[in-house]
Amino acid sequence: GQQLNQSPQSMFIQEGEDVSMNCTSSSIFNTWLWYKQDPGEGPVLLIALYKAGELTSNGRLTAQFGITRKDSFLNISASIPSDVGIYFCAGQRTGNQFYFGTGTSLTVIP
Amino acid sequence: DGGITQSPKYLFRKEGQNVTLSCEQNLNHDAMYWYRQDPGQGLRLIYYSQIVNDFQKGDIAEGYSVSREKKESFPLTVTSAQKNPTAFYLCATARDRGSPLHFGNGTRLTVT
Repeated sequence: GQQLNQSPQSMFIQEGEDVSMNCTSSSIFNTWLWYKQDPGEGPVLLIALYKAGELTSNGRLTAQFGITRKDSFLNISASIPSDVGIYFCAGQRTGNQFYFGTGTSLTVIP
Repeated sequence: DGGITQSPKYLFRKEGQNVTLSCEQNLNHDAMYWYRQDPGQGLRLIYYSQIVNDFQKGDIAEGYSVSREKKESFPLTVTSAQKNPTAFYLCATARDRGSPLHFGNGTRLTVT
């Protein structure tokens, strides 16, 4: 099965800094999703994107569906300690399964 | 209270034993999925079901079996044929095949 390339693998940032991460694929997707996972818990859906070029916000989080449809980006502004966790992207071609990235581990230093 | 319930949270088994992981949902979602998560890796699809009494193999179905006798329930059996069963198992549901996935809180299976 296909896995998406997510970068960076890990990030260590100071509280208050902005964060950027991205996800790339060799295939075109029609849907991109972003999830956050806390240790020992299931992933929680943050943002869903359905159209190339789409920019969607959820509080301090902003995600974009890349124009090429082969990538997506997630930004977190003014990070806080509770942003700590692993962020996953997922892509889907219509009617097919979702494929997941390998995750970006975020550590926020107070 | 709507949601996806996976039980138990932690499961320990001896090698050679089959074990069944439970997944129940009251979201009235049609589609249900089982994923496996290993450290440092993304989620890999084991099986999925779009309707009752029907299910399809995912990318890593070998050594696993499922059933979908009720809309609310999609249990996963890890058989003794699964070579590396120790992992974190996640159940997910979706309103339909193209809708975003919603996950349960997982079951951590340890086989020794």
